[in-house]
Amino acid sequence: DQQVKQNSPSLSVQEGRISILNCDYTNSMFDYFLWYKKYPAEGPTFLISISSIKDKNEDGRFTVFLNKSAKHLSLHIVPSQPGDSAVYFCAASGEGGGADGLTFGKGTHLIIQP
Amino acid sequence: KAGVTQTPRYLIKTRGQQVTLSCSPISGHRSVSWYQQTPGQGLQFLFEYFSETQRNKGNFPGRFSGRQFSNSRSEMNVSTLELGDSALYLCASSGQGVTNVLTFGAGSRLTVL
Repeated sequence: DQQVKQNSPSLSVQEGRISILNCDYTNSMFDYFLWYKKYPAEGPTFLISISSIKDKNEDGRFTVFLNKSAKHLSLHIVPSQPGDSAVYFCAASGEGGGADGLTFGKGTHLIIQP
Repeated sequence: KAGVTQTPRYLIKTRGQQVTLSCSPISGHRSVSWYQQTPGQGLQFLFEYFSETQRNKGNFPGRFSGRQFSNSRSEMNVSTLELGDSALYLCASSGQGVTNVLTFGAGSRLTVL
């Protein structure tokens, strides 16, 4: 059973507009959430994270929103740039921290159109 | 500062063979995790090592094993390879703390024929 779900396999957005990537989770024990970005032939790179005690975290063009009651988080990229074209993975962890391993979604392929 | 290094980058094996993949973490990082990435399943947690001890293991059969050396370098081994083991195997390291910010290597692409 998938505990972290990214229901959109792909998303196409025009350059300069906002990209919104969504992620749902089912395990209420998750208390830390992360987004990773992956280019072809490279490993995933950490983008931004949020603790369950917060509902928003911002870093430059990237903002992550967490709605605990809905078990939903989203990543906003504003404005979208061509270099943002990549696969984005949502990940979650529980109280065990890194030792429990991260549970990843299957990813959303973001395509920024010029 | 050098990143996470994985070798080999690409390899082809046949069913029934075994394979060993290597990972050198970022200097100073003592935790090393392994993940399997396949198109259908996304990234799945294999195991995590810290100070030469396996701290946790994902839901994979016993054919998948690993170890960590005193210099934090890690290896994973897959025995009796099956076609379904074809995947990208990613190693990640992290420093102290529970922030779960993993730094991934580029991966080892295994093809089983």
